[in-house]
Amino acid sequence: TQLLEQSPQFLSIQEGENLTVYCNSSSVFSSLQWYRQEPGEGPVLLVTVVTGGEVKKLKRLTFQFGDARKDSSLHITAAQPGDTGLYLCAGEGDYKLSFGAGTTVTVRA
Amino acid sequence: GAGVSQSPSNKVTEKGKDVELRCDPISGHTALYWYRQSLGQGLEFLIYFQGNSAPDKSGLPSDRFSAERTGGSVSTLTIQRTQQEDSAVYLCASSPSLGTGYEQYFGPGTRLTVT
Repeated sequence: TQLLEQSPQFLSIQEGENLTVYCNSSSVFSSLQWYRQEPGEGPVLLVTVVTGGEVKKLKRLTFQFGDARKDSSLHITAAQPGDTGLYLCAGEGDYKLSFGAGTTVTVRA
Repeated sequence: GAGVSQSPSNKVTEKGKDVELRCDPISGHTALYWYRQSLGQGLEFLIYFQGNSAPDKSGLPSDRFSAERTGGSVSTLTIQRTQQEDSAVYLCASSPSLGTGYEQYFGPGTRLTVT
């Protein structure tokens, strides 16, 4: 059983479209992190959100942490083929990370 | 600078054999973590080490799994009497310290296949 539920599991869109990935949990976390993983590599940290209601922007990526610090979303504007990859959310508690199963995003040129 | 390295990159073993997976963390990082990533699943925490403190082994799935970290640097994850359900990618990460605000840097992983 995943502590963090991500949706959708798969997402295939055309270049230039927008997309949103959701990460939900019944648990409260000290912080929530988003990672991107490419085949054959380890995950790479994109952002850490700490405060309930926090919104962080990283170029075309917008991350939001829910007010109750249980859920988060990742929004990509005008997606590009280079955004293709596996996106993982992870909640931190007791110095450990609990990961969602991931969302595989494919952006078609 | 050098990132986290893991060896071997791929390992195929027969059911019942023991395997050792190695992780070289980033120099100076006191925290080291092991995770397991199975197909279609997220990363599953296994164990972490922080400095000279006792490791947190709460994620190890059975007593067939053990890990050591020698001299506060290199770590070895050992799986005894491997089973087919142990097949997965084993990822190691290191961090300057524990806690919020310290990024975990992941290695490329070791893909373990148990036949």
